[in-house]
Amino acid sequence: KQEVTQIPAALSVPEGENLVLNCSFTDSAIYNLQWFRQDPGKGLTSLLLIQSSQREQTSGRLNASLDKSSGRSTLYIAASQPGDSATYLCAVESYNTDKLIFGTGTRLQVFP
Amino acid sequence: DGGITQSPKYLFRKEGQNVTLSCEQNLNHDAMYWYRQDPGQGLRLIYYSQIVNDFQKGDIAEGYSVSREKKESFPLTVTSAQKNPTAFYLCASSIAGYNQPQHFGDGTRLSIL
Repeated sequence: KQEVTQIPAALSVPEGENLVLNCSFTDSAIYNLQWFRQDPGKGLTSLLLIQSSQREQTSGRLNASLDKSSGRSTLYIAASQPGDSATYLCAVESYNTDKLIFGTGTRLQVFP
Repeated sequence: DGGITQSPKYLFRKEGQNVTLSCEQNLNHDAMYWYRQDPGQGLRLIYYSQIVNDFQKGDIAEGYSVSREKKESFPLTVTSAQKNPTAFYLCASSIAGYNQPQHFGDGTRLSIL
């Protein structure tokens, strides 16, 4: 059974820091890994989707990497800003379930 | 603007009552999904539909029902059989097939009176 874990559960950093969020998964038979952002009381916003054949994807200050063999992904946020404060969730689309399996998220606070 | 609209934003249920959450999308997506989000547990899939007039159970379908009579609409009914319905409910849609990002609505928060 696919399990997705995100560490740390919460993170607080000063503005301007570069930071890394971690996501691990137990079954490497995946189509893709996705990173989402969730603001309090809101839905999820898709940030990046990395297909299983890809190693990384970039969007602006965000860079996500995927190491399928080791079951790990990282989301790198450069030059963090207070507006980046949110919960970040990763999810994998697995072969054997055809569904997205979500981690429990990392709650990020960037303070001025 | 293209997107997903969920209504109402807040909903209260009495004991023994069925309630229906609305989800409408104008993205022309074939696939639609319902998730439940509880604190500290991430999102869990309730039901999903890949095409009109067809839907499948997710991981926690007991106590819930859905219909998919129109491409744009995928309402979720929380029945009285669902004994712990207090949660944040999220609807999503995507282009059918693999490697398609899901687009989410802003959610409905359901509470018990």
